[in-house]
This record gives sequence, C-alpha cells and structure tokens, in this order.
Amino acid sequence: GQQVMQIPQYQHVQEGEDFTTYCNSSTTLSNIQWYKQRPGGHPVFLIQLVKSGEVKKQKRLTFQFGEAKKNSSLHITATQTTDVGTYFCAGQVGGSYIPTFGRGTSLIVHP
Amino acid sequence: SQTIHQWPATLVQPVGSPLSLECTVEGTSNPNLYWYRQAAGRGLQLLFYSIGIDQISSEVPQNLSASRPQDRQFILSSKKLLLSDSGFYLCAWSEKGAGGRVAGELFFGEGSRLTVL
Repeated sequence: GQQVMQIPQYQHVQEGEDFTTYCNSSTTLSNIQWYKQRPGGHPVFLIQLVKSGEVKKQKRLTFQFGEAKKNSSLHITATQTTDVGTYFCAGQVGGSYIPTFGRGTSLIVHP
Repeated sequence: SQTIHQWPATLVQPVGSPLSLECTVEGTSNPNLYWYRQAAGRGLQLLFYSIGIDQISSEVPQNLSASRPQDRQFILSSKKLLLSDSGFYLCAWSEKGAGGRVAGELFFGEGSRLTVL
C-alpha cells in the first residue's frame, strides 16, 4: 500500500536557526497536506499543495511539492519557540478516500 | 461555521472494561469522518473512516469498532480494553469531493486521552 516516509523524526535547533522536514511517497500523489500539532494538542491544518513543483509561503514557512509529486518539504526560517511541535505531512493518491500521514517530525527549539 | 466535538477528553479504564468515545460535527452535512490513534510520541494511525451513515471501513484489525448512527456522529467502541489500547484518540472530519474522496483539509477534534491500567 501507499507509504509516506517523513524525516527526521526529531530535530533540535537553537532559536533563530532554520529547520526542514522532508516527506517522500512511494507513489505519485494527487496532493499533499501539512499539519502542525502542538505538544498536548491536536493536529491543525497548515496548507495543501496540489500542483507539480508548487511552492507556497506562510510568513517564515515555505512548503514545496516536488516535480514528480512524490516528495515535499517544509522549511522554517529563523525558528522561534512558538514553532515547537510535531509537523506531519499527509499525502493522498487519486481515488483514495483517505490521506496517508507521515510519522511526523518533532521540532524542539532551544531559546 | 463548522465545529467538531469529541468526548470525553481524558479517561482511565481498567483492562477488560468497555469503551465508548463520541464525536459530533456541527455546521456541515454528509462529511467524511475518521478515527485516528496516536501512541505517545508516535504518528497518526488511521483506525476507521466513514463516508456515510452505517458505512464504516476499518484500516487495521483490532478489538475496536466504530459506528455512525447519524450523519454527523461517529462513535468508537470496545467491548474489552487491552493495555495496548492506551493512546490519544483523535476524531476528524473532511468535506467530500467528487466520489466522496477527501476534498481538502482534515479538521481534528481536541482528542481523547485513554489510559488502560
């Protein structure tokens, strides 16, 4: 079945450093979504990418969808302590009722 | 606006006891509904999803079951809990696209933290 691999599992950074998490799918995706889960909270939708090679920005966050629509990345510039949490990607293939979530990357920001 | 309610927020249950977690969605109709489980420090494991009343699909074999007695109500149950059932249970909904497929984002409830002792 479809698999979405996400790395790294954990990332420690000093406040102000950049952070990137990567997702790779075994199959071509119709879209990919990104979610953020704060410690003790529930996942909250950040963005959806649909087009091949698409790049979207939300303030310090940059999301990319690969040309082959099999990989994606989330990059945070100049991390802040408010960025702490687990970031999940979720890929969907055409004809599926459900997105497949990666295992998430937990970001720890040291002040 | 749409809202999702999930309860109880926290529960501690002995091994072998029954379980019932409830989730309701307001402000939308005919949503896709999902139950996920998240073990401590782990990812999201899809347990069940539903595209309509009494239409439930199970993703993994387990001693849990799900029901959708009404359009916007999704219930997760167990007759006898196991220690391995401990975790953070999340209900979610999404709008339908063509053919009932996920149209966009998933909206998650606040979650139910279950500890089985």
